[in-house]
Amino acid sequence: SAVISQKPSRDICQRGTSLTIQCQVDSQVTMMFWYRQQPGQSLTLIATANQGSEATYESGFVIDKFPISRPNLTFSTLTVSNMSPEDSSIYLCSVDAWGTNEQFFGPGTRLTVL
Amino acid sequence: QKEVEQNSGPLSVPEGAIASLNCTYSDRGSQSFFWYRQYSGKSPELIMFIYSNGDKEDGRFTAQLNKASQYVSLLIRDSQPSDSATYLCAVNNRRSGGGADGLTFGKGTHLIIQP
Repeated sequence: SAVISQKPSRDICQRGTSLTIQCQVDSQVTMMFWYRQQPGQSLTLIATANQGSEATYESGFVIDKFPISRPNLTFSTLTVSNMSPEDSSIYLCSVDAWGTNEQFFGPGTRLTVL
Repeated sequence: QKEVEQNSGPLSVPEGAIASLNCTYSDRGSQSFFWYRQYSGKSPELIMFIYSNGDKEDGRFTAQLNKASQYVSLLIRDSQPSDSATYLCAVNNRRSGGGADGLTFGKGTHLIIQP
């Protein structure tokens, strides 16, 4: 499976600020996804990061709040904008390396908003 | 609204026994089904996937799928203390237009293997 890294691994941010999370894969992949895992909860899909086009957002998530970039086949960023304490969560990127829907996850970014 | 339901547990199983984890899903159009294991503080790890009705075996793990009943299960044979984790069931979000799908996850079942 692909090796996936995320930066930062964790951060503590102030309300009203923004944080950009990076996801790097060691090989070219077709699909990259961003998920959120709130404390004690399961994973929720935020959006699909499409290379060369705008991200596709799930219901309840909007581009103004979670802008996503996908400049190439190995890299994506997720920005959490105008943060509030409710955004405190683990943010995970995943990749579908083979177009089979088998997704592999990065180590996650633990975000705390004060 | 697609839903994936799991019993949150905890499910306690003695070491060496068979652990049985269950999952139901709402979208009849779902085509791909996954089991992830998540240790506390770690990201999910894919352990099994199944696409067709019936059983699929991989080592100590067996995934079972019944599309008519919209039911998928995971059996872990010869359970070990290291199997203690949260097990997440996930199904694909079927889309038109091709390309891989995002996943809808259940809330997970917390499994405890007692030595």
